[in-house]
Amino acid sequence: GENVEQHPSTLSVQEGDSAVIKCTYSDSASNYFPWYKQELGKRPQLIIDIRSNVGEKKDQRIAVTLNKTAKHFSLHITETQPEDSAVYFCAASMGNSGYALNFGKGTSLLVTP
Amino acid sequence: GAGVSQTPSNKVTEKGKYVELRCDPISGHTALYWYRQSLGQGPEFLIYFQGTGAADDSGLPNDRFFAVRPEGSVSTLKIQRTERGDSAVYLCASSLLAQNEQFFGPGTRLTVL
Repeated sequence: GENVEQHPSTLSVQEGDSAVIKCTYSDSASNYFPWYKQELGKRPQLIIDIRSNVGEKKDQRIAVTLNKTAKHFSLHITETQPEDSAVYFCAASMGNSGYALNFGKGTSLLVTP
Repeated sequence: GAGVSQTPSNKVTEKGKYVELRCDPISGHTALYWYRQSLGQGPEFLIYFQGTGAADDSGLPNDRFFAVRPEGSVSTLKIQRTERGDSAVYLCASSLLAQNEQFFGPGTRLTVL
């Protein structure tokens, strides 16, 4: 079936540096791309999302870019803080299923002080 | 306001038994999704409800899995003849409309011995 590839699987940065996580998708009908943050033992929490009619969206230290032609999208976190440490998942909507989501395998981000 | 709730939080059962997992979505949310998450993986889509009807059940792994949402609110995921491979965290999410942000519940951790 359709899938979402996410890289890297682990990422370690120093506090204050930027972190970038990249995803590619295969379903050309996907039109909604959320990013979720999941802390250990907790539920996924939406941090930012983008729809296919927009190329970039920013919310304070977090930004997402989307290239529909190339079928890839990226999460950028600037001025990272230790509390940004978590697993981040990208997802793409399933074209034939409303907005049910295909998730990537996750990126474990560690921000060291 | 109350978020998505799921019960039980943990369920341990023996191979071959039947289990029911419950999801209470946010009041007024019309769309409801079930996902399951194995350790170290992203959530995997199972089924999506729009109102009372299953709009897409293509993610259910086999006919041992079934879900209902009889009044368009609470949903129950039912698993017959459980297998050890069914062990995972089962997540429920709801959204106001299908195209809106999905809010996740805390999940039910199912362990099949």
